[in-house]
Amino acid sequence: RKEVEQDPGPFNVPEGATVAFNCTYSNSASQSFFWYRQDCRKEPKLLMSVYSSGNEDGRFTAQLNRASQYISLLIRDSKLSDSATYLCVASGSARQLTFGSGTQLTVLP
Amino acid sequence: DVKVTQSSRYLVKRTGEKVFLECVQDMDHENMFWYRQDPGLGLRLIYFSYDVKMKEKGDIPEGYSVSREKKERFSLILESASTNQTSMYLCASSSPPSGTYEQYFGPGTRLTVT
Repeated sequence: RKEVEQDPGPFNVPEGATVAFNCTYSNSASQSFFWYRQDCRKEPKLLMSVYSSGNEDGRFTAQLNRASQYISLLIRDSKLSDSATYLCVASGSARQLTFGSGTQLTVLP
Repeated sequence: DVKVTQSSRYLVKRTGEKVFLECVQDMDHENMFWYRQDPGLGLRLIYFSYDVKMKEKGDIPEGYSVSREKKERFSLILESASTNQTSMYLCASSSPPSGTYEQYFGPGTRLTVT
């Protein structure tokens, strides 16, 4: 079983749609959680951290459910520029991070 | 802004060659990491380092070694390149003071071994 599991997609949505990505993690000791965004043939970049209380950054909302070991990312009013692969990330032992394989999103005009 | 740079964006090497991939970060980060990324497999950790001259094996260290002689520089070495090491190699760094260990990545080196 992978330590961080995501639906690989692809998710194809029209502009303006709301899309949600889900992720589960297996290490109950994980303390830090993130969503990264990776554009085609580019490096992953930090999109946002995920906190237990939930957090929002503009059109993006992240939620963490520690009891279910579940992380989500909601994107509202999708833009063409949101097309990318979204990586769910949980901290592993010490200072390491464990990355999911990513969910591919394509926003269509 | 954190800047992580890698020595080459694209590299083509022959089987059996010794390959050096260099990574430099300019934010005085303690921690540095080498990953490879392959379609369907995601990011896999090869080696990491928490301090100068210190290294730890990640999930897939076989066929690789690393060197960290200076805090800002972390090198990945393929002792004898093989075709199954054709991949995208990503370097990352992070620093503990923030407490959350988010990592910052370099642009990657796409290595092809023929």
